[in-house]
Amino acid sequence: DGGITQSPKYLFRKEGQNVTLSCEQNLNHDAMYWYRQDPGQGLRLIYYSQIVNDFQKGDIAEGYSVSREKKESFPLTVTSAQKNPTAFYLCAGSRGPGNTIYFGEGSWLTVV
Amino acid sequence: GQQLNQSPQSMFIQEGEDVSMNCTSSSIFNTWLWYKQEPGEGPVLLIALYKAGELTSNGRLTAQFGITRKDSFLNISASIPSDVGIYFCAGQTSGTYKYIFGTGTRLKVLA
Repeated sequence: DGGITQSPKYLFRKEGQNVTLSCEQNLNHDAMYWYRQDPGQGLRLIYYSQIVNDFQKGDIAEGYSVSREKKESFPLTVTSAQKNPTAFYLCAGSRGPGNTIYFGEGSWLTVV
Repeated sequence: GQQLNQSPQSMFIQEGEDVSMNCTSSSIFNTWLWYKQEPGEGPVLLIALYKAGELTSNGRLTAQFGITRKDSFLNISASIPSDVGIYFCAGQTSGTYKYIFGTGTRLKVLA
């Protein structure tokens, strides 16, 4: 079994804390992505990475950070600078332009 | 950020009815993708389209890549209760890594 694995499924954060969401893939995808989804809304791109050690800001990057030290891993850190972090976060991967994008099962982040 | 116009936003239909939804864009796309998302889960790929005019089926689902390359359509025939969910379209322009997603069509099937 494999694919794109996100953890944890549910995460609670106290205000002022940083938290990191994990995303691992065994599909040999060059590109990886993080999206945010608010209840009843569509997907908004936070960051994406085309290749190891490189990443690009998406439409809503403020308050988030990422790293891509390994091809298989693309963790997302939600920093205390993100004022409204409660949302459903989706990680995805793709072989690149012209290819399909596949999603993980998502992680729920709630600020308490 | 840019999002695709997807319609309808939501629909209630009777079991057994056919369903149609579409996405339109101001940009030309080289790839169109259709996904279904159930509550609390990640989107699952239904159909991928790579060529203008292409018509592709997956069981009761049929999707088409519009001739203008600015739109795409998804049809579901003989709907069943498990078709309930949110359907998203996504488009990608040539040579880019970014995918643009539609706003979603929320489908509810009445038994």
